[in-house]
Amino acid sequence: AQSVTQPDIHITVSEGASLELRCNYSYGATPYLFWYVQSPGQGLQLLLKYFSGDTLVQGIKGFEAEFKRSQSSFNLRKPSVHWSDAAEYFCAVVLSGGYNKLIFGAGTRLAVHP
Amino acid sequence: DTEVTQTPKHLVMGMTNKKSLKCEQHMGHRAMYWYKQKAKKPPELMFVYSYEKLSINESVPSRFSPECPNSSLLNLHLHALQPEDSALYLCASSAPGQGGRETQYFGPGTRLLVL
Repeated sequence: AQSVTQPDIHITVSEGASLELRCNYSYGATPYLFWYVQSPGQGLQLLLKYFSGDTLVQGIKGFEAEFKRSQSSFNLRKPSVHWSDAAEYFCAVVLSGGYNKLIFGAGTRLAVHP
Repeated sequence: DTEVTQTPKHLVMGMTNKKSLKCEQHMGHRAMYWYKQKAKKPPELMFVYSYEKLSINESVPSRFSPECPNSSLLNLHLHALQPEDSALYLCASSAPGQGGRETQYFGPGTRLLVL
C-alpha cells in the first residue's frame, strides 16, 4: 500500500539557518509528490509539487525539493529560514487509479528560534 | 487565482443541531473535496465530488451529508454530530488532470466544536 513517512515529528532551527525536512514514500509506480504548509488554525498552502522532469523543484517562499527515486525520497529544503516559516509541513503523494486521493505524511512541526 | 473560500470560519453546535458548511471556488475546477483534520494530525479525506457527482465516500457516518449544487459550490450538512466530530474541516478543489496530475488547492477551513 502507498504510504508517506516523515521521520521528524518536530524540528527546531535558528532563524537564518538552513533547513531540510525529510519525506520518504512507498509507491510502486511513478509518484506524484507534493509539499504543503499549514500555519496554526489555517488551511494547507501548496509549496511545490513534482510530477516528472527535472528532479529539483522550486516552490514558493524560497523552498525547493529534490526527488530521488533511488532513495524514495522527496526532501524539502530552504537555505535560510525566516521566523514566519514556523508551521506544520506535510508531504503527500497522490494515489493513482482513477481518482486524485492524496496520501499525507504525519507532518513535521517546524519551530524557529530568533 | 487559486482561492478556495469556506464559511463559516468557526462553528459551535450542539449534538441535536443541524448546520451546514459551505465551500466555494471560481477557478473552474471540476473536482471538490472535504477533509477532516484533528489536532496534530494530517487531513483525512471524507468525500470527493467529480463533475458534481459523488465519486468517493470514505465510509463517513451518515450524520455528514455532502452536497454539490453546482460546479463552484460544495456543502457539508451536519446533523446529530458527536463531540468527537470536533475538528477542522477543510475543503479543496482541483482541475481535471491526467492520471493523478491534479493539484489540490485548500481553503482556510471551518473550525467546528460540537458540545
